[in-house]
Amino acid sequence: RKEVEQDPGPFNVPEGATVAFNCTYSNSASQSFFWYRQDCRKEPKLLMSVYSSGNEDGRFTAQLNRASQYISLLIRDSKLSDSATYLCVVTPGSARQLTFGSGTQLTVLP
Amino acid sequence: GAGVSQSPSNKVTEKGKDVELRCDPISGHTALYWYRQSLGQGLEFLIYFQGNSAPDKSGLPSDRFSAERTGGSVSTLTIQRTQQEDSAVYLCASSIPGTSGGSSSYNEQFFGPGTRLTVL
Repeated sequence: RKEVEQDPGPFNVPEGATVAFNCTYSNSASQSFFWYRQDCRKEPKLLMSVYSSGNEDGRFTAQLNRASQYISLLIRDSKLSDSATYLCVVTPGSARQLTFGSGTQLTVLP
Repeated sequence: GAGVSQSPSNKVTEKGKDVELRCDPISGHTALYWYRQSLGQGLEFLIYFQGNSAPDKSGLPSDRFSAERTGGSVSTLTIQRTQQEDSAVYLCASSIPGTSGGSSSYNEQFFGPGTRLTVL
């Protein structure tokens, strides 16, 4: 079983739609949680951190459920520029390295 | 300011040859990471350097892989006797390390553009 599992998609949604991505992680000692965004043939970039209390950044909302070891990302009012692969990322325990899911591909259609 | 840079951007080599990939981290970032991303796969951790501490090599897939970091700055990842399964994008990242493992002390890892390695 992979340490971080995501639905690979692809998700094809029209502009303006709301789309949600889910992710589960297996290491209960994981301490930090993130969503990264990766555009085609580009490097990953941090989109947002994820906290147990939930956090929102504009059209993006992230949630963490430690009991279920589950992370989500909600994108409201999708834009064409949101098209990318979204990577669920955790840091296992006290380790510094990031453990990545294989990513969920999103295409926002005009 | 300048971000993480990597060279070469692309490398094509023949099976059995050795390759060296270079990473220049962001100035002042003492933590440096190497990852690789195979086609259609997530990023896989390889090795982590922090200051003068012994590197965390737990992600290196075989003894053909090694890395060093000279002077606490530039890092070189070396793959000896390359195999076709080594073909991937090799990504370097750097950060200012947090003071503990807690999420409140995490510092963002900034990635370089990667080196695309193709082993024929």
